[in-house]
Amino acid sequence: AQSVTQPDIHITVSEGASLELRCNYSYGATPYLFWYVQSPGQGLQLLLKYFSGDTLVQGIKGFEAEFKRSQSSFNLRKPSVHWSDAAEYFCAVYNQGGKLIFGQGTELSVKP
Amino acid sequence: DARVTQTPRHKVTEMGQEVTMRCQPILGHNTVFWYRQTMMQGLELLAYFRNRAPLDDSGMPKDRFSAEMPDATLATLKIQPSEPRDSAVYFCASGLLPMNTEAFFGQGTRLTVV
Repeated sequence: AQSVTQPDIHITVSEGASLELRCNYSYGATPYLFWYVQSPGQGLQLLLKYFSGDTLVQGIKGFEAEFKRSQSSFNLRKPSVHWSDAAEYFCAVYNQGGKLIFGQGTELSVKP
Repeated sequence: DARVTQTPRHKVTEMGQEVTMRCQPILGHNTVFWYRQTMMQGLELLAYFRNRAPLDDSGMPKDRFSAEMPDATLATLKIQPSEPRDSAVYFCASGLLPMNTEAFFGQGTRLTVV
């Protein structure tokens, strides 16, 4: 069965530091992969997506993610974190049937 | 500005009462998802529809939950009877498949069952 794993439940980084959030998926075919962000009390907003082509994808708010088939990973990165990036981040995968499955989420805290 | 609209945004109800949550997907989208979010379980997929037909509702407690799409502009999620353990935030999302689009999320319905 398809699954998405986000190993880190909570990460704290200092403002201005770099960030990497991990995501591993389990899916046989080429996956459609997503990163969403959720601010408190809000719905989920898409940061970026990967369907095919270039394995390094750029998203909004300065985020990027790299698809690595050999590692079944789709890690999210940002070179310099801002205090406003504090939120919960979700990795997700569409399977062939169109089922959208989410990881457990990683809560990001930003220290001043 | 196209968006997914969920109503109500907040609902407090007594145990045993029927709860109906509504979702208006983005016009033209053919896929609708219902998710439940709790601290313990995260985002759980309850059910999803393609072209108004249910594709998978295996994540939904069948004895008390039901999901329908009476027409292309309305999806409903009902709980009858409601229980305190149903307290959660329920999200609806819509997308256009198999085109290469993401799912767009509504703001959610925060349900509290007392």
